[in-house]
Amino acid sequence: DIVMTQSPDSLTVSLGERATINCKSSQSILYSANKKNYLTWYQQKPGQPPKVLIDWASTRESGVPDRFSGSGSGTDFTLTISSLQAEDVAIYYCQQFYVVPFTFGGGTKVEIK
Amino acid sequence: QVQLEQSGPGLVKPSQTLSLTCAISGDNVSSYSAAWNWIRQSPSRGLEWLGRTFYRSKWYNDYAVSVKSRITINPDTSKNHFSLQLTSVTPDDTAVYYCARTPCGGDCYSFENWGQGTPVTVSS
Repeated sequence: DIVMTQSPDSLTVSLGERATINCKSSQSILYSANKKNYLTWYQQKPGQPPKVLIDWASTRESGVPDRFSGSGSGTDFTLTISSLQAEDVAIYYCQQFYVVPFTFGGGTKVEIK
Repeated sequence: QVQLEQSGPGLVKPSQTLSLTCAISGDNVSSYSAAWNWIRQSPSRGLEWLGRTFYRSKWYNDYAVSVKSRITINPDTSKNHFSLQLTSVTPDDTAVYYCARTPCGGDCYSFENWGQGTPVTVSS
């Protein structure tokens, strides 16, 4: 199985400041034939299922604010919130869909300082 | 717009079978452009993908190794839903269970649509 490792486990950031979350896969999730990274970022708020923020490592879902961005390739990925807003308090997960079984990172809890 | 509505009991006794159903609206369980998944979430295991079913001229299933001997995911085309059965449950199976849809356009990617979640407790 591909192991997804997120860091840090939690993050406390001031309003308007940048938040950076890292995700590392135990093997490359870049498919060479199409040059796509099979990685999704989700946001989960209490009592709700996860919601897709970013597909293919860097493609923002329709309706997702542009302060959210994804980057990285191969085994190392980053989710950046450029200017943290109060409504961004949540747990963020990365997930690989390169190969079954699909696996998730352990999550990063983002809070306001 | 695709919506998934889950149903099933929230309490199951140890050694019995956990059964949940996910009703689909806005898509079809037999769609060539989707796959249908079960995922669970618990403090000890985090988010864990359990398995999926999808139709591509015939039905296919993939299951996580951790539950492979105990899990069945079945589509029901007459009711446009799919179900999860997990046998011989233990307290370690206590979790919030979600159904989820993956769109497939060449590749299947992301869990785009989710059910509301069903908290399931395994206890006598």
